[in-house]
Amino acid sequence: AQKITQTQPGMFVQEKEAVTLDCTYDTSDQSYGLFWYKQPSSGEMIFLIYQGSYDEQNATEGRYSLNFQKARKSANLVISASQLGDSAMYFCAMKGWTDKLIFGTGTRLQVFP
Amino acid sequence: DAGVIQSPRHEVTEMGQEVTLRCKPISGHDYLFWYRQTMMRGLELLIYFNNNVPIDDSGMPEDRFSAKMPNASFSTLKIQPSEPRDSAVYFCASKRGGRDEQFFGPGTRLTVL
Repeated sequence: AQKITQTQPGMFVQEKEAVTLDCTYDTSDQSYGLFWYKQPSSGEMIFLIYQGSYDEQNATEGRYSLNFQKARKSANLVISASQLGDSAMYFCAMKGWTDKLIFGTGTRLQVFP
Repeated sequence: DAGVIQSPRHEVTEMGQEVTLRCKPISGHDYLFWYRQTMMRGLELLIYFNNNVPIDDSGMPEDRFSAKMPNASFSTLKIQPSEPRDSAVYFCASKRGGRDEQFFGPGTRLTVL
């Protein structure tokens, strides 16, 4: 069985600072993928970043990077230079050998001026 | 490029009525997913299709739920009869074969009174 754990229900960060959102996972699959999605108050789910289990480099997409530590089974999202528009719920998700995504419970990020 | 399109965006119905949610995936994407988001259960996969064929429907709650994909550009999720506990946001997502990233539609907020 696969499991995603997000232990931070809420996080606060000041504008222009960096923030790390935690995600740990558990799976018995040898090949898997890890995702982060953003859900603003408007409700849509926005794909941010993806990391494959065999990727040697940490994934980066603009201000987003995924800090992948395979031995620790963690896939933390780092947002650099936070902006007010980054305030949202953030979901970590994973897939194993199938295409089914398993989601964590989410972290609500609030960026303040 | 157009993203995933869902209709209606909001649906309010009474218990016992039939509800049909619609989804148009991104052109060229051959996988389509239906997810449900509730406060109690979070985000969970209901069913997904590959090349219009259902691959995994283990998340479909019960026989009241059915999903079809008659062609590559259209899918429906039907609930008959609807119950108050079906109230949720229903997301459709799609992806291209060979890629892992899933792109979500804006969701349909369903309220069953």
